[in-house]
Amino acid sequence: EAGVTQSPTHLIKTRGQQATLRCSPISGHTSVYWYQQALGLGLQFLLWYDEGEERNRGNFPPRFSGRQFPNYSSELNVNALELEDSALYLCASSLSARRKETQYFGPGTRLLVL
Amino acid sequence: GNSVTQMEGPVTLSEEAFLTINCTYTATGYPSLFWYVQYPGEGLQLLLKATKADDKGSNKGFEATYRKETTSFHLEKGSVQVSDSAVYFCALSSGNEKLTFGTGTRLTIIP
Repeated sequence: EAGVTQSPTHLIKTRGQQATLRCSPISGHTSVYWYQQALGLGLQFLLWYDEGEERNRGNFPPRFSGRQFPNYSSELNVNALELEDSALYLCASSLSARRKETQYFGPGTRLLVL
Repeated sequence: GNSVTQMEGPVTLSEEAFLTINCTYTATGYPSLFWYVQYPGEGLQLLLKATKADDKGSNKGFEATYRKETTSFHLEKGSVQVSDSAVYFCALSSGNEKLTFGTGTRLTIIP
């Protein structure tokens, strides 16, 4: 069974640009989560999508946004990039979040903002 | 709110040594508890989990027991190997389903 996949693996942008990160969940999983792992700041929850709807959002500015498509894949968009957005962005998926299923993580997208 | 306090690293051990990484938590209700591992340059892998008090999660020789009375979920392994070198994260999930992580503990095993 294929795991969570993310693309691209690496992304280099300059300050002020926009970045789009993509995630495909494990087949059958309907919930997708996004986390940011910035150097020295640990893993911070960004967004949670379930059945196409945004269900919860972490303490991040509105320039971090995303969506979930009918096939449950997801995009994370970061607008007006700032240097401190440089981080590893991890996507996770689970079966229905309402049953507290385990989250399985992808390999991440490493974003570098210059 | 929910929080996870994890043993500060880095931790360096010799091969075949006994490992303990401490983890305590604060949460409302009855959270599920997890240990994830991150190998260099990779994403997170689920190592083990426990969903209720007194449950013991185990995998690859690692164990952790959900202790509600001490709000702890310490990770242990009886004999570590060089291949266990990684960063270990304790995490909990409660109610709103997002994972709350500890700060991570970097483990290095020397031959």
